[in-house]
Amino acid sequence: GEDVEQSLFLSVREGDSSVINCTYTDSSSTYLYWYKQEPGAGLQLLTYIFSNMDMKQDQRLTVLLNKKDKHLSLRIADTQTGDSAIYFCAEKEGYSTLTFGKGTMLLVSP
Amino acid sequence: DTGVSQDPRHKITKRGQNVTFRCDPISEHNRLYWYRQTLGQGPEFLTYFQNEAQLEKSRLLSDRFSAERPKGSFSTLEIQRTEQGDSAMYLCASSASAQGMDEQYFGPGTRLTVT
Repeated sequence: GEDVEQSLFLSVREGDSSVINCTYTDSSSTYLYWYKQEPGAGLQLLTYIFSNMDMKQDQRLTVLLNKKDKHLSLRIADTQTGDSAIYFCAEKEGYSTLTFGKGTMLLVSP
Repeated sequence: DTGVSQDPRHKITKRGQNVTFRCDPISEHNRLYWYRQTLGQGPEFLTYFQNEAQLEKSRLLSDRFSAERPKGSFSTLEIQRTEQGDSAMYLCASSASAQGMDEQYFGPGTRLTVT
């Protein structure tokens, strides 16, 4: 079955880069997503990558996809305290729904 | 466009009672999803609708759970005879299309506490 794994916690200093990693098992995933969840708020889509791409850059965000190893990463450049949140990796196969990881809590200290 | 809204935001109920939650999707979105999120976990899919048709249900959706979307707009999720294990955040999301990237917009959730 589908399974998405993430490291649970990451702590960085303001201004540093953050890298959040994710592994997935479903080789037929079509899209892979990164969502952000702040306390008391719903999930916000940050970025996504189509499975035939290996990199996507969107302002401070860079997504890298290694399809052979089923590994996805999200790099946040110049991390700010406002980036502190839980980040979820999710995969989608075909027209089916999303399968989420357990989330990585990012703590940015000043 | 006010985004996806959910009501109530919080619900405390006694074990054995029935509860109903409402979700109002973004107006032009034809797909609506329900997810459940427990502490320390990511959202888990429960069910989804394409317009008024319920197309898929997860194994997590026991017989005590029922969802409707009668006119293809708002949706309700009812839990009958609640159990303590039902305590969770119930998230609703909507999207405009099943094809392609299919960006799902999430509501703020309804937090259910069963005592």
